[in-house]
Order: sequence, then C-alpha cells, then structure tokens
Amino acid sequence: AQSVTQPDIHITVSEGASLELRCNYSYGATPYLFWYVQSPGQGLQLLLKYFSGDTLVQGIKGFEAEFKRSQSSFNLRKPSVHWSDAAEYFCAVALMNTGFQKLVFGTGTRLLVSP
Amino acid sequence: NAGVTQTPKFQVLKTGQSMTLQCAQDMNHNSMYWYRQDPGMGLRLIYYSASEGTTDKGEVPNGYNVSRLNKREFSLRLESAAPSQTSVYFCASSQNRGTEAFFGQGTRLTVV
Repeated sequence: AQSVTQPDIHITVSEGASLELRCNYSYGATPYLFWYVQSPGQGLQLLLKYFSGDTLVQGIKGFEAEFKRSQSSFNLRKPSVHWSDAAEYFCAVALMNTGFQKLVFGTGTRLLVSP
Repeated sequence: NAGVTQTPKFQVLKTGQSMTLQCAQDMNHNSMYWYRQDPGMGLRLIYYSASEGTTDKGEVPNGYNVSRLNKREFSLRLESAAPSQTSVYFCASSQNRGTEAFFGQGTRLTVV
C-alpha cells in the first residue's frame, strides 16, 4: 500500500540554523509530492510541490525540497530558520486514479524554534 | 477570493447527536475531500468526491456520510456521534490531476 513516512515527530532548531525535514514515500510510480505547513489552529498551506522536471523545487517562505527517486525521498530544507517557521509540517503524496488524485499524508513533524 | 469555507469552526456534541459539517469552495474545482486530523496520525481521508454527482469512501468512512450537493458544496454528516469522532475536520478541494489541494480552516469537533 502507498504510504508516506515522516520519521521525526518533533525537531528543535535554533533560530538562524539550517533545517531539514525528512520524508520517504512508498509508491509504485513517479509520484506527485507536496509539503504543507500548518500553524496552530489553522488549515494547511502549500509550501511547494513536485510534479516532474527539476528535482530541486523552490517554495514559499524560503523553503526548498529535493526529490530523490533512488531514495524515495522528498526532504524539505531551509538554510536559515526564523521563529515564525515554528509549525507542523506535512509531506503528502498524490495517488493518481483515473482522472483524479487523492492525497496521502505523513504523520507530520512539529518544528520548534529556540532563541 | 474565499477559497474553501467550512462551517462551523467549533462544535460540541453529545454522544448520539447528529450534525452536518458544511464546506463550500469558490475555485470551480472538480474534486472535494473530507479529512480528519488526530494527534500523531496526520490527516486521514474520510470521503472524497472526484466530481459533481460522485462520492467514494476513503480510509476511515465508518460513522460518516457525505453529500456532494453541487459543484461548490460538499457536506459531511455524523448520524450518531461517538467520542471516537472527536477530531479536527478539514475540507479540501482540487482540480482533477496535477494540482495541489486547497484546505479550509477546519472544524474542531468534540463529542462528549
């Protein structure tokens, strides 16, 4: 069955330090991949997406992610974290049924930013 | 442009009561979804509607029903609420292929 794994439940990073959040997927074909961010009490906002082409994708708020087919990974990175980045981050895979896509989410990684 | 609008934002129900969560999108999307979010479990798909007039079960459909009223609206009904249905519910919409899903702000439901 298709699945998405985010191995880190919580990560704490100092403000100004770099960040990498891990995501691995299990899917038979080349997937559509997404990273969403959720601030407390809010809905999910799309950070970036990968459909095809360049495997390094740029998103909003200075985030980027790299698709590595050989590792079935789509890790999220940011070179310098800001206190406002504290939130929960979800990786998702789109399963492509005929003419339709469903999203399968990982369990999320909560990012804490220390001063 | 409102995007995806969910009502209500908060609700407390007693066990056995029924209620309907409303969702509307103004982006002319074909597909709509209902997810529930529970701590440590991410988002799990309850039901989805690939297009107007069609609905189908997701991962966790038991205890829920849905109605795709028209292209804009997709409601989720709890016929007899149970404490296990305490959760945050998200509605989302997307075009059919190759695009991201847009999410509402969520409904926090507590069943006592």
